[in-house]
Amino acid sequence: GAVVSQHPSRVICKSGTSVKIECRSLDFQATTMFWYRQFPKQSLMLMATSNEGSKATYEQGVEKDKFLINHASLTLSTLTVTSAHPEDSSFYICSASRSASSGERETQYFGPGTRLLVL
Amino acid sequence: AQSVTQLDSHVSVSEGTPVLLRCNYSSSYSPSLFWYVQHPNKGLQLLLKYTSAATLVKGINGFEAEFKKSETSFHLTKPSAHMSDAAEYFCVVILTGGFKTIFGAGTRLFVKA
Repeated sequence: GAVVSQHPSRVICKSGTSVKIECRSLDFQATTMFWYRQFPKQSLMLMATSNEGSKATYEQGVEKDKFLINHASLTLSTLTVTSAHPEDSSFYICSASRSASSGERETQYFGPGTRLLVL
Repeated sequence: AQSVTQLDSHVSVSEGTPVLLRCNYSSSYSPSLFWYVQHPNKGLQLLLKYTSAATLVKGINGFEAEFKKSETSFHLTKPSAHMSDAAEYFCVVILTGGFKTIFGAGTRLFVKA
C-alpha cells in the first residue's frame, strides 16, 4: 500500500509554455501533499505543502505565481509551472501523507518524480 | 534550530561487507526519523522509520537503524551489502505536529564487486 504516482515522468517543453504535473495517491487518501525540487546531486528542496481544499503553503523564496499548486481531492494534487524557463529545468518530486484517521499521519510516501527540461 | 547532518557524502563498501550510513539530528521537539533510498532518476522509497516506539527499527531489504537520543543519532546499517544497494540515501526528520520536514544532504553508497 501507500503508492504515489506522478505524471508525466518526463516532459520537454519550450520556454514560455506552461507545464502541469500530476501527483496521485493510488491506494490511500492523502490529506497533505508536498512538492519538492531536486537539483543534480543535491538533496530535495521543499517547495510547498498543500492540504486538500485549501491554498498551498509555499516555502520562502518559492514564487507562488510561478508554481501553481492545486489540491483538488484527497488523491490528487497538481503543480503547474507557468511560463517555464530553462532555469526551471529540474527533477520535481511529490509526496503524500495519509489522513490522520489511519494513524500514519507523518510518513511521507514519494512519487517517482518528473524530469522537466525547458528548452 | 532543527537540522539533520549526514556525516558522509560518499561511502564505499565491498559487496558482502557491512554498511554504516551516519545521521545526526538536532531538534527541540520529539521528531519522527526516516531513512529513504533513491536510485538514479527515481523517487524516494521509504526504508524505515522511527516514531517513538522501539529504538531499534528494522526496515526493508535488510536495513535497520537505531535511535539513540543521548547521541541524537539515527545511523543506518546493513550486515552485508549487495550490489543493488548502491544508491543515494537520505535521512529525514519530520517534526511532530507541524509537518516541518528536514532532509539531510544525502549519502551516496557505492558497492564494489
